Amino acid sequence: KAGVTQTPRYLIKTRGQQVTLSCSPISGHRSVSWYQQTPGQGLQFLFEYFSETQRNKGNFPGRFSGRQFSNSRSEMNVSTLELGDSALYLCASSGLERDRANEKLFFGSGTQLSVL
Amino acid sequence: AQKITQTQPGMFVQEKEAVTLDCTYDTSDPSYGLFWYKQPSSGEMIFLIYQGSYDQQNATEGRYSLNFQKARKSANLVISASQLGDSAMYFCAMRGAGNNRKLIWGLGTSLAVNP
Repeated sequence: KAGVTQTPRYLIKTRGQQVTLSCSPISGHRSVSWYQQTPGQGLQFLFEYFSETQRNKGNFPGRFSGRQFSNSRSEMNVSTLELGDSALYLCASSGLERDRANEKLFFGSGTQLSVL
Repeated sequence: AQKITQTQPGMFVQEKEAVTLDCTYDTSDPSYGLFWYKQPSSGEMIFLIYQGSYDQQNATEGRYSLNFQKARKSANLVISASQLGDSAMYFCAMRGAGNNRKLIWGLGTSLAVNP
């Protein structure tokens, strides 16, 4: 069974540009969540999608948006990039539909975004 | 508010010895889950072990065990018989139920296993 696939692996952008990151969850998983990882702030939750609907959202500005398609693949978009957006963006998928605390998340290898 | 604290930025251990990575948490939710993930230099987060707030016994997964002390709000990870491949960042995370499903993460502990 293929794991969570994130593309691209690396991205270099300049301030003011926009970027789209892609995540393909494990086959059969319907929940996709996104996390931002930086050395200073650690891992922070961005948002979660389930069956094409945003179910949870973290404390990020509106420049960060996402969506999920009918095949559960998800995209994350960041507009008007700032230097502080440089980070590793991790996508995770999970398969259980109930809101259980023990639901295990499976992560991709992430997209390393550098904003110059 | 929920919070995870990992007080050890870096740890060293000799190959084949055991090591304990500390994690304390804070939450007012009665139902929650505690996770440990490993992140090697490749960047992928690898699930290691899970402990539920209502679990009576400490979780174990192969060489990994979780020392869960609910009254002290601690969930320390114990790695037995360390291997060189265990060198990585280790993150403790917590998740609530219902609308509080997002994972709250600690800042991690960098573990180096010496030959």
